[in-house]
Amino acid sequence: EPEVTQTPSHQVTQMGQEVILRCVPISNHLYFYWYRQILGQKVEFLVSFYNNKISEKSEIFDDQFSVERPDGSNFTLKIRSTKLEDSAMYFCASSGQGGTYEQYFGPGTRLTVT
Amino acid sequence: GDSVTQMEGPVTLSEEAFLTINCTYTATGYPSLFWYVQYPGEGLQLLLKATKADDKGSNKGFEATYRKETTSFHLEKGSVQVSDSAVYFCALSSTGNQFYFGTGTSLTVIP
Repeated sequence: EPEVTQTPSHQVTQMGQEVILRCVPISNHLYFYWYRQILGQKVEFLVSFYNNKISEKSEIFDDQFSVERPDGSNFTLKIRSTKLEDSAMYFCASSGQGGTYEQYFGPGTRLTVT
Repeated sequence: GDSVTQMEGPVTLSEEAFLTINCTYTATGYPSLFWYVQYPGEGLQLLLKATKADDKGSNKGFEATYRKETTSFHLEKGSVQVSDSAVYFCALSSTGNQFYFGTGTSLTVIP
């Protein structure tokens, strides 16, 4: 069964450093998403991406964040100059259709900023 | 704005016990509602969904009914197994693109 994969599973970085979280969505999906979950809090939407551009983003997704689909298979989230409060689990998701259709999630990357 | 409120955990049950995890929502329009499950070390997996009022989603013995009058989508299972131990997330999507999740409820089933 096709699945979304994410690497690395755990990333530790120092405050102020840049990190890139990688995701490989399901191959025939066209809609891509990033979410995050700070420990003990809700899973929060960050950004959606379709047709090689951002289609929607939340207030959390400020200039510190960027997304890219550098090739036909990868979808990345870059965080420039990480802060302590960026420590969270980051989930990638993809969907074959937009709107209210189900999204398929990866296992997550745990980011720890020290 | 749209939001989901989910029953706090953790929940510990004995095998074959009845499970209810409460979920209520606030949404504009007519959302689709979902339950996702996360097993240890894995991603969020869709467990079931309902797209309109009075729909019942079901899968693997789990059920949830979309109740518009009470804005609820409670997850139930008549007889839990040890293999059901996981974290369960209620979610909604109403305007497209983004899902709104609850905080997740951790379930542990003991033999």
